[in-house]
Amino acid sequence: GENVEQHPSTLSVQEGDSAVIKCTYSDSASNYFPWYKQELGKRPQLIIDIRSNVGEKKDQRIAVTLNKTAKHFSLHITETQPEDSAVYFCAASGNTGKLIFGQGTTLQVKP
Amino acid sequence: EPEVTQTPSHQVTQMGQEVILRCVPISNHLYFYWYRQILGQKVEFLVSFYNNEISEKSEIFDDQFSVERPDGSNFTLKIRSTKLEDSAMYFCASGTTDTQYFGPGTRLTVL
Repeated sequence: GENVEQHPSTLSVQEGDSAVIKCTYSDSASNYFPWYKQELGKRPQLIIDIRSNVGEKKDQRIAVTLNKTAKHFSLHITETQPEDSAVYFCAASGNTGKLIFGQGTTLQVKP
Repeated sequence: EPEVTQTPSHQVTQMGQEVILRCVPISNHLYFYWYRQILGQKVEFLVSFYNNEISEKSEIFDDQFSVERPDGSNFTLKIRSTKLEDSAMYFCASGTTDTQYFGPGTRLTVL
């Protein structure tokens, strides 16, 4: 069945360092890969997304890369700040729109 | 900036009771979704809705669940006879076939 694996489950970095979160997906029909940030008790918030016809996308300190052959995609956060601390979820979907989420990564940025 | 809204923010109910969770999607969106998130776990897809009918549902979305768009603005999730294991955060989302924006969620507690 459809599955998205996400690693690591927890990640602790010093302020200013980079953070990388990796996901792999099983359904080769997946063509849309969003990343959501979820602060405690809040809604998942879309922070960046990438479609299968693009290999990389960047938005200020956040970038996402996609390797369709290997079926994996990654989130890169540079110059991390304490307010980046949250749970980050990757997800994948195909043409139906159903999002399959990864297990989440708890990112802690230490000041 | 328009946002998805949900009511109530927290619902406490007795096992076996019916609950209705309400959502107001972003006005020009055509696709609507319900997801749930059990405490500490990943977000799970329940159902997608387009053109006044269910387009896809997960194994979780059994006969106890139903969705409705009773008017031009609201989108509801009904659970007919709640079970203890239905306790979770329920998120509504609206958007296109891929980009989805989440509401703040309803925390359902079944006693």
